[in-house]
Amino acid sequence: GDSVTQMEGPVTLSEEACLTINCTYTATGYPSLFWYVQYPGEGLQLLLKATKADDKGSNKGFEATYRKETTSFHLEKGSVQVSDSAVYFCALSEGNAGNMLTFGGGTRLMVKP
Amino acid sequence: NAGVTQTPKFQVLKTGQSMTLQCAQDMNHEYMSWYRQDPGMGLRLIHYSVGAGITDQGEVPNGYNVSRSTTEDFPLRLLSAAPSQTSVYFCASTPASGRPNEQFFGPGTRLTVL
Repeated sequence: GDSVTQMEGPVTLSEEACLTINCTYTATGYPSLFWYVQYPGEGLQLLLKATKADDKGSNKGFEATYRKETTSFHLEKGSVQVSDSAVYFCALSEGNAGNMLTFGGGTRLMVKP
Repeated sequence: NAGVTQTPKFQVLKTGQSMTLQCAQDMNHEYMSWYRQDPGMGLRLIHYSVGAGITDQGEVPNGYNVSRSTTEDFPLRLLSAAPSQTSVYFCASTPASGRPNEQFFGPGTRLTVL
């Protein structure tokens, strides 16, 4: 079955540092890939997505590129802010009925001033 | 639009008690789903629905029931609560058209079973 593997956290960075959160996946077909973010005490929000190989999703300074050859979708940001502190989830969808998502375990990011 | 709403926000149950977690959306989305979130395991799909009157099991359905009598509502029932069901529960909805689509999540219900 489908699966998503993320680097374990927590990841602790100083403000303005570079961020990379690794994500790799296993899927039977050609999934769409997503990054969701969960701020403290809130539900999940879509951060960015990519629907086919070599697509790059971007939002709020975050980027991720769909790499089919390495089955990866790593999340990157050049300069993190304290307000980026949250839990980040990588997920995939095969586009089956219901558009259900398979999630990775989540990576907690803590950014210190 | 209120989006996806969930009640209650917090709940404490004793082993063996039953309860219903409520979920409603006002976006006229066809698809709705329930996930549970446990530390280090991300979110796992419990049940989902592709429309009123249609439900199906996800990855971890045991101990939970669902029904979908209207497009708006998708309640999750715990028949006999167990400590293993202590978790944070999220309801989500998404439109059927234009796949793949963003899933819209509710704020969650934190459930503790003693």
